[in-house]
Amino acid sequence: AQKITQTQPGMFVQEKEAVTLDCTYDTSDPSYGLFWYKQPSSGEMIFLIYQGSYDQQNATEGRYSLNFQKARKSANLVISASQLGDSAMYFCAMREAMNSGYSTLTFGKGTMLLVSP
Amino acid sequence: DAMVIQNPRYQVTQFGKPVTLSCSQTLNHNVMYWYQQKSSQAPKLLFHYYDKDFNNEADTPDNFQSRRPNTSFCFLDIRSPGLGDAAMYLCATSRENAGDTQYFGPGTRLTVL
Repeated sequence: AQKITQTQPGMFVQEKEAVTLDCTYDTSDPSYGLFWYKQPSSGEMIFLIYQGSYDQQNATEGRYSLNFQKARKSANLVISASQLGDSAMYFCAMREAMNSGYSTLTFGKGTMLLVSP
Repeated sequence: DAMVIQNPRYQVTQFGKPVTLSCSQTLNHNVMYWYQQKSSQAPKLLFHYYDKDFNNEADTPDNFQSRRPNTSFCFLDIRSPGLGDAAMYLCATSRENAGDTQYFGPGTRLTVL
């Protein structure tokens, strides 16, 4: 079974509108972290936002916020006021076993976001 | 600025000709990772170093090797590249704390002729 599921292969949004990119995850570990990365066509993976499983508040970083619904095991990324430069591939990733030292990331398949003028 | 640097950004090699990709970091992070990312796919972890301890993913082909001579540098060696090894290779680093973020370099795009 997939640990990270991104059901939207592609999304379109108009400039200045908000967009939500979906991510659901599967884990039995009580301690985990969820990450969103942006990958423009140049290839670099850019860290956007992080949510820990014990965090009480939803994470926010500028125009990015994470809609974390623990019971539903979802961690959707919300981009407010989209810009043309937001056009990129977006990956959701999870890190498990957070209490036992370092651990590796599991990535979803990604969502391609296209922002139109 | 502290960062992760990968060289070269683009590498062309011939089928079967060994190639080395390099990664350096100024973040002083303990952990370094190598990922392979094929077109329109998620990154796939090949291996990682925790300090000098090497950790190979079970399904990483023997054709791929890595070296970490010091904290700052890590190399990916592909001994006999095949056409199927054409991909983007991403290096990432993190601190040893489990909750810490992985920071990626710009990647090396490998073409195999």
